[in-house]
Amino acid sequence: DSGVTQTPKHLITATGQRVTLRCSPRSGDLSVYWYQQSLDQGLQFLIQYYNGEERAKGNILERFSAQQFPDLHSELNLSSLELGDSALYFCASSVAPSPWGGSYTFGSGTRLTVV
Amino acid sequence: GESVGLHLPTLSVQEGDNSIINCAYSNSASDYFIWYKQESGKGPQFIIDIRSNMDKRQGQRVTVLLNKTVKHLSLQIAATQPGDSAVYFCADSGNFGNEKLTFGTGTRLTIIP
Repeated sequence: DSGVTQTPKHLITATGQRVTLRCSPRSGDLSVYWYQQSLDQGLQFLIQYYNGEERAKGNILERFSAQQFPDLHSELNLSSLELGDSALYFCASSVAPSPWGGSYTFGSGTRLTVV
Repeated sequence: GESVGLHLPTLSVQEGDNSIINCAYSNSASDYFIWYKQESGKGPQFIIDIRSNMDKRQGQRVTVLLNKTVKHLSLQIAATQPGDSAVYFCADSGNFGNEKLTFGTGTRLTIIP
C-alpha cells in the first residue's frame, strides 16, 4: 500500500456522462498530481495542486477539471465523456511541489471505461 | 512539445541475467530523471533517480547511467528475478524547478524462468 488512495478502482460509464475520481494523498503530503495513462502509453500529466491551489497544468481537456479540498484530498471531474477518455487515471502525491528525490508516490489508479 | 522515448517496447531476459533498458530524451535542459516500475494493476513505483550533474548512480541491483551528450538514459538490473517482470518507464522533470514529469511510453520486461 503506497498510502495514496484512489476511488473507485473501476468505473464504467456511457458517453456523454460525467464522473468524479477521488484521491486521498499520503499523510503529510501537500501536493497532488493527476496523470492519464492510455492503453500501452506512458503517463500524461494533467494537473497539479499544492495545498489547495492549482500549481501546474498539462494538456488537460476543457471537459476535465480538478480541485483540492481543505483536507487535501483531490477530485478529478471528467464531463461529456468520449470513448477516447477510457484510460487509467493515476493520482500521485508528494510532500513538496516537486518530484525531486523520488518523493512522488502513486496510487493504484482508477480504470475508466467509457462505452 | 518535449518527449521522452524508449528504444524497445519489449524485452525478454533469462532469470539471473542482467537486463538493460534504454531511454532517449529530447530536452537538453532536463536535469532530473527517474525510473519507475509499473506492475500489472498497480501504479508506478519509484526505482532510482539521477541528476544531470551525475553520470551514474547505483541502487540495490539497479544502476542508472546518464549520457548527456547523446541525451540517453539506461537502467541496468542485475541478476534479474521473476519479480522484475513489469513495465519500466523513464521520466524527465525538464528544467530545474519543473514540477511535472514527462514519461516515456515504457518497456515491458519479461523474465524467463
